[in-house]
Amino acid sequence: DTAVSQTPKYLVTQMGNDKSIKCEQNLGHDTMYWYKQDSKKFLKIMFSYNNKELIINETVPNRFSPKSPDKAHLNLHINSLELGDSAVYFCASSQGGSRGSPLHFGNGTRLTVT
Amino acid sequence: GDSVTQMEGPVTLSEEAFLTINCTYTATGYPSLFWYVQYPGEGLQLLLKATKADDKGSNKGFEATYRKETTSFHLEKGSVQVSDSAVYFCAQTGSGAGSYQLTFGKGTKLSVIP
Repeated sequence: DTAVSQTPKYLVTQMGNDKSIKCEQNLGHDTMYWYKQDSKKFLKIMFSYNNKELIINETVPNRFSPKSPDKAHLNLHINSLELGDSAVYFCASSQGGSRGSPLHFGNGTRLTVT
Repeated sequence: GDSVTQMEGPVTLSEEAFLTINCTYTATGYPSLFWYVQYPGEGLQLLLKATKADDKGSNKGFEATYRKETTSFHLEKGSVQVSDSAVYFCAQTGSGAGSYQLTFGKGTKLSVIP
């Protein structure tokens, strides 16, 4: 069973469209995250949710809106997509925050905006 | 803010060579330190971790020692294999509210040739 699963794996879309990426974890963790990885492999945290509450909201455009319907899900909705949004987006989860508790990552969603 | 600096890649080694990937951190206090590995087309996986000074994390022949005096957590392996080819990320936790945030280095790509 996949611990952290995100869909879709690949997403190709045009500028200006709105798209969503879904993430689910079956580990019983209370904290979930979204990370963005650029073409140079640099990883940057975007959002962190603990028990469905937003903990971290880094400086990302407000076109990006996370939604956590329950502890096991953290979806990412992106409005008015731009070329610069092209990247690989990773969902992750951990128990009780990342201090001493390793993150479990999904396999990523490669977003390409044309 | 907190940051993690790791050696720039790519690193190319022959099979059975010795590997060192340097990592230094800047968090104050006592962050937890991690090495994650990303194989092609996959998400990050925890390789090893250390939660206090002088701790040594080890896994799959890889080792790293938490050095408070030099704020370092260098990754080493005595004899690399082709299957170790991947991107390696050093990471640290923050403190307080930042404990929910894992700060990653920029990643070091390792290629091992037969």
